[in-house]
Amino acid sequence: GQSLEQPSEVTAVEGAIVQINCTYQTSGFYGLSWYQQHDGGAPTFLSYNALDGLEETGRFSSFLSRSDSYGYLLLQELQMKDSASYFCAVNRRGKLIFGQGTELSVKP
Amino acid sequence: NAGVTQTPKFQVLKTGQSMTLQCAQDMNHNSMYWYRQDPGMGLRLIYYSASEGTTDKGEVPNGYNVSRLNKREFSLRLESAAPSQTSVYFCAMGLAGETQYFGPGTRLLVL
Repeated sequence: GQSLEQPSEVTAVEGAIVQINCTYQTSGFYGLSWYQQHDGGAPTFLSYNALDGLEETGRFSSFLSRSDSYGYLLLQELQMKDSASYFCAVNRRGKLIFGQGTELSVKP
Repeated sequence: NAGVTQTPKFQVLKTGQSMTLQCAQDMNHNSMYWYRQDPGMGLRLIYYSASEGTTDKGEVPNGYNVSRLNKREFSLRLESAAPSQTSVYFCAMGLAGETQYFGPGTRLLVL
């Protein structure tokens, strides 16, 4: 079978750093993606890791360890607008399998 | 949402009614997808199309059919709607290993 696990909720303060973890179990793993969704709107792509290591895009970074079946999304210098749901998604042979999402609340 | 349009935005159906959700993209991608998202859940793949003329089942295909009419359009049909199909439906294009672009969604309520 296949499964992804990520925390359901995370709370942090403006300006802080937060890490959202994702563990997965799946066959045919090609890579791990992260998507952001505000208030049930269209999900938007944040990052994709096919290989082990850290990918950095501005304030956001994503990490993958294939041997540990683990990844994380790191958000730095948190802003109020970062309050949203964040989904990890496994690329399983060309199809995305999504986790249930982590709701991030950024407090002033 | 740029590049993917979905119609309608909202729909209320009675159990047993049928309807087609429309999706169109203008970015010339070969791959298109239909997902559903239930409250507090992630997205689940219903069907996908790797190219014009081809379709394949995803995680939750039962109760749905799709048509890849041409490269731009990918429609999702509910032949006999059930309350369990109450959900938000998202169309997307792109590749799983790159950026997938999502449409704004269709909110469907089946009574």
